[in-house]
Amino acid sequence: DTAVSQTPKYLVTQMGNDKSIKCEQNLGHDTMYWYKQDSKKFLKIMFSYNNKELIINETVPNRFSPKSPDKAHLNLHINSLELGDSAVYFCASSPRTSGAYNEQFFGPGTRLTVL
Amino acid sequence: SQQGEEDPQALSIQEGENATMNCSYKTSINNLQWYRQNSGRGLVHLILIRSNEREKHSGRLRVTLDTSKKSSSLLITASRAADTASYFCALDFYGNNRLAFGKGNQVVVIP
Repeated sequence: DTAVSQTPKYLVTQMGNDKSIKCEQNLGHDTMYWYKQDSKKFLKIMFSYNNKELIINETVPNRFSPKSPDKAHLNLHINSLELGDSAVYFCASSPRTSGAYNEQFFGPGTRLTVL
Repeated sequence: SQQGEEDPQALSIQEGENATMNCSYKTSINNLQWYRQNSGRGLVHLILIRSNEREKHSGRLRVTLDTSKKSSSLLITASRAADTASYFCALDFYGNNRLAFGKGNQVVVIP
């Protein structure tokens, strides 16, 4: 009965490869997010979807492409991986984007290591 | 860019003591939230305080908000070793459709 789940938990890959991370939430939330957390624990938003529509697309290289097949899923595909992509990637969901009741629920994270 | 600034960035206390950390910001907010992150885990929402509220409690947590000073504090009373974690403030700025997370406070509770 995990609220927000991500797979895989760990991903080790070579530079230049393409990889995907999957996220699912069973909370019935309308909004989902992808964050990148660097080694200094700074949490940077990458993308946000509301009801399958992209609403936030931060200055992220276009090698990163999110896809939301339905409200409960938000996947992240990364092409041509680079060393600097090594980080922990978190998926999150919230009932709303702003105002009351916009607290976010986070997945356990995917630690990506690019060699 | 809009984000909260937490201080202190690192705090080490004995079990049973209180831990206080602060978050300051620069522009008006809808609400301010605090999250905890244990090592190797995702963030967990602790408490949300709206801009028209001044104080909120949840168990051993007490959050205050001073919108005139644009600052908030999180107090953990009677700390336990299990409270060892990073604590983040997150700001909901008007019209932003996102939360802006601070850099986090690392709290270590020594048993």
